[in-house]
Amino acid sequence: DAMVIQNPRYQVTQFGKPVTLSCSQTLNHNVMYWYQQKSSQAPKLLFHYYDKDFNNEADTPDNFQSRRPNTSFCFLDIRSPGLGDAAMYLCATSQDDLGAGETQYFGPGTRLLVL
Amino acid sequence: GDSVTQMEGPVTLSEEAFLTINCTYTATGYPSLFWYVQYPGEGLQLLLKATKADDKGSNKGFEATYRKETTSFHLEKGSVQVSDSAVYFCALSSNDYKLSFGAGTTVTVRA
Repeated sequence: DAMVIQNPRYQVTQFGKPVTLSCSQTLNHNVMYWYQQKSSQAPKLLFHYYDKDFNNEADTPDNFQSRRPNTSFCFLDIRSPGLGDAAMYLCATSQDDLGAGETQYFGPGTRLLVL
Repeated sequence: GDSVTQMEGPVTLSEEAFLTINCTYTATGYPSLFWYVQYPGEGLQLLLKATKADDKGSNKGFEATYRKETTSFHLEKGSVQVSDSAVYFCALSSNDYKLSFGAGTTVTVRA
């Protein structure tokens, strides 16, 4: 089945140690998104790519970076994780913009623990 | 800006009870409306959507109708099951790449 895949499902890192989360998709969608979801909260959009065009949300900390080397893969890099960055990180895709009811497809998420 | 206000939870129901989760929105233009469901430890799954006024989205026994006059998109299910226990998010999108989510409503169905 076509899908959005995130690896690993659980990631443990140390305070200040760089960490990379991975996302891949078999949907061949143009747009890929990264969300941060803290416990009992709604997902918060960090940034998205339309093809190779990167779009950062205004309130996304500089500590968070992203790479999209090709259509299928997108990475989230946290340069110096703090305790407050412990969260579920969700990757999502869509074929185009969301204005006409386009659906976003979400991966299962990577839960990040910072020690 | 766009926003979604969702009924606060948690909601606890017995199996076969009727479920309603209220959702109202504020948006410019004509947004599309969505309900997403998140099962424990999982990502979000699209439950249903509606793209214009008076549209009814439906899936797995859940329904929601896009009401422009009341700016609402309430989720209903006539007879819930234990497997419906999850967090439900109402969301809207306008002409960009951002979904505006409600805070989420945790639903627990007891056998």
